[in-house]
Order: sequence, then C-alpha cells, then structure tokens
Amino acid sequence: DAGVIQSPRHEVTEMGQEVTLRCKPISGHNSLFWYRQTMMRGLELLIYFNNNVPIDDSGMPEDRFSAKMPNASFSTLKIQPSEPRDSAVYFCASSEQGPMNTEAFFGQGTRLTVV
Amino acid sequence: KQEVTQIPAALSVPEGENLVLNCSFTDSAIYNLQWFRQDPGKGLTSLLLIQSSQREQTSGRLNASLDKSSGRSTLYIAASQPGDSATYLCAVKAAGNKLTFGGGTRVLVKP
Repeated sequence: DAGVIQSPRHEVTEMGQEVTLRCKPISGHNSLFWYRQTMMRGLELLIYFNNNVPIDDSGMPEDRFSAKMPNASFSTLKIQPSEPRDSAVYFCASSEQGPMNTEAFFGQGTRLTVV
Repeated sequence: KQEVTQIPAALSVPEGENLVLNCSFTDSAIYNLQWFRQDPGKGLTSLLLIQSSQREQTSGRLNASLDKSSGRSTLYIAASQPGDSATYLCAVKAAGNKLTFGGGTRVLVKP
C-alpha cells in the first residue's frame, strides 16, 4: 500500500478563496483523522471519522471549516472563505478501528499558505 | 477530556548519551499509546505502538514503557546519534478511536 496520500502537498491561496484538501486513507482502514499543525498550537485534532461517519468535530475551529468522507477511500477538508490565520500544515491519518493493533499512519501533509 | 503532556519541550544531548523522553496522560482508559518521530517539514513516522495491556515495546535502539495506572510512558533511545535529532510525539488512543497528541519533545543530538 502506498500509505496515506494527501493532495496537494503545497497550496498558496489568497484570503477569501475556497481551499479543498484531499486525503486517501490506507485501504482497509476505517478511521480517518484530520489534524492541523502550527508552531504555536502544535498538533490539533480537527475532526475524525469512523466508517465514514463524523464522530467528533469539536476541533473544527469555526463554520468556515467543513469535512466530508463520501466513501471509505476519500475525504476532503474544505475552508471557505480562507483567512491568513488558517495557514498551517494539515495532516490526514488513518487507522483500523477498535482497541487492538490500531496503529495510526500519517500522510505527508498539505502546507497551506493564505496570503 | 484526555490531555497529553510531554516534558521537556526540548532536549539537547551529546552523541552517545541515552535519551529519555516522557509522556503523561490524564485519563488511563486508553486503547494504546503510540510514539512518533517528525523531522522538520515532514510528516509523522510511527516508531512504536504499545497496547494498553503491555508494559513495554522494543524496536532496535528504541524501548518504550507504559504505566497505564499512573498515566505515563517513557521512550528510551540508546546510544543516541545525530540522526536521532527530530521532534518526538506521543499519542494516546481511547474509546471512540480518538487519537490525542502531546506537544512533542524537540531533540538535538550534538556530534
């Protein structure tokens, strides 16, 4: 398996524009996580899904952020409209669900810069 | 709410010295604990996974212990090398499959 695949790797956009980040989890994994990482706040869990269903979105900073998982092999994180303070690295991770052997694997991240 | 803390935030040691990294968590009802390594500008690489029923896990020069009752894990890296310089993060997985991270320890191994 190629691991967790995120696209794009880098995104530069102007304030007010819509941004869509994409993630393909590892095949067979049924939990998917979106994280944001900044120097100031470290790694923050934004939202996670089990079996394509959002379980906890309490980390989503505001209504400008939305995430979907239409099927087991694809998820998106959308920011509309984007603001400079959204600049960060966004990571997607996946794991199997359940208490045993549920090692999480991360993608390479999307570095977002909003100017 | 689960909180995960890593102290110290940064650590500098001479090459060859053993590294000891600490991780503490507030809720002991966890499924497992995972240690990651992150190089600057890169993603997270999984190092070790310890199940809640285990006391320790070893991989090469790395050894991680888990004391669930006291909410602590320690990552030991033997005979450190400059290539071990990175940020090390611990994360706990609990009910609902939620994965919560500590703030990380930035390690510098000086030649």
